[in-house]
Amino acid sequence: DIQMTQSPSSVSASVGDRVTLSCRASHDIDRWVAWYQQKPGKAPELLISAASSSQTGVPSRFSGSGSGTDFTLTISRLQPEDFAIYYCQQAKSFPFTFGGGTRVDVK
Amino acid sequence: EVQLVESGGGLVQPGGSLRLSCAASGFTFTSYEMNWVRQAPGKGLEWIAYSSVSGNTIYDAVSVRGRFTMSRDNAKNSVYLQMDSLRAEDTSKYFCARSRGDYFDLWGQGTLVTVSS
Repeated sequence: DIQMTQSPSSVSASVGDRVTLSCRASHDIDRWVAWYQQKPGKAPELLISAASSSQTGVPSRFSGSGSGTDFTLTISRLQPEDFAIYYCQQAKSFPFTFGGGTRVDVK
Repeated sequence: EVQLVESGGGLVQPGGSLRLSCAASGFTFTSYEMNWVRQAPGKGLEWIAYSSVSGNTIYDAVSVRGRFTMSRDNAKNSVYLQMDSLRAEDTSKYFCARSRGDYFDLWGQGTLVTVSS
């Protein structure tokens, strides 16, 4: 199975900050990565697919990059509604696997 | 409205069974693959099952293999998860999620399954 490791597990930030979240795959997965945002009590929402393709309606402050084993989700200017948990997921092969998540909370 | 609605969760004793349903609406169901993903309380996400559009190809996670069975009824725009031999560690919120290209682009609100005596 492909393991996905996210770092850090949590980050404290302020509104307006630039936040960078990392995800590392245990094997080369090309660009088969997605990023999801989950708020308390809600279902996850897809932000980014194929490493860097933003879903319709996702604010432009969210961007994804990377290929192979190392991937990044960047929030350019953190907004109040962005405090949440972010998960990466590999879609290269079954079983699909998620990273453990990065919690972005208020500094 | 484009949505997925899960149902069928509840409290069940260890060793018991439960059948979850997920009803899709607002989109062409037969254009999408479907999945089940679960989340234990306070924990991360775990993919557990996938169904092709036809329902003829099913993949599942090792953690549920031989105990859980995913199925699909395109005439009813629904997918199901039959869960047998339930264990305490199966306690989770269960989400159905649609996919195309292996990314989960629409999720239901989830249904909670609690396995406890």
